[in-house]
Amino acid sequence: DGGITQSPKYLFRKEGQNVTLSCEQNLNHDAMYWYRQDPGQGLRLIYYSQIVNDFQKGDIAEGYSVSREKKESFPLTVTSAQKNPTAFYLCASRPQGDPEKLFFGSGTQLSVL
Amino acid sequence: AQTVTQSQPEMSVQEAETVTLSCTYDTSENNYYLFWYKQPPSRQMILVIRQEAYKQQNATENRFSVNFQKAAKSFSLKISDSQLGDTAMYFCAPHTDKLIFGTGTRLQVFP
Repeated sequence: DGGITQSPKYLFRKEGQNVTLSCEQNLNHDAMYWYRQDPGQGLRLIYYSQIVNDFQKGDIAEGYSVSREKKESFPLTVTSAQKNPTAFYLCASRPQGDPEKLFFGSGTQLSVL
Repeated sequence: AQTVTQSQPEMSVQEAETVTLSCTYDTSENNYYLFWYKQPPSRQMILVIRQEAYKQQNATENRFSVNFQKAAKSFSLKISDSQLGDTAMYFCAPHTDKLIFGTGTRLQVFP
């Protein structure tokens, strides 16, 4: 079945540690997105990528990094510079030029130990 | 910059009644899409309804309909015959080159 897979479902980070959240899609979608959601809040855009080897900062990119080496994969690294990383992270993808067909992953809950 | 405002943090409605959730946005684009998403406690994002900005006719999807006013940049969601399963967070999301979400409205449907 086609879809987006986010892993792990739950992740814990120690002080000063970098952690990487995985997002893989087998939908052949061009565009991929990362969002952060704090409790009771909306989704805020961290990074997005319209095509392989290219990505743009969203509204809250500081303390995060991404790569887009393959069309299927868009991993998000939460660096030690992100001082408040505890949040729910959602990945999404869609075909280029077809915003109606947006798919979301099931999310990763990141917590600080 | 593209912005989205949902001015109602929380709303409640009795089962079978009608409720309207408001959304205003700002964009310099002329062609774009608008979406309403539902997020139940499972936190899975579910598409409720979509509207293309160039279409004047308001979108309808079963019990869900929108009131789209392009000039006013307003995109409200009306839920008719509310059901207990409609209890969730609802997010308004205009889409140009990137998808931006509002802060959400928490809707509680009570018996």
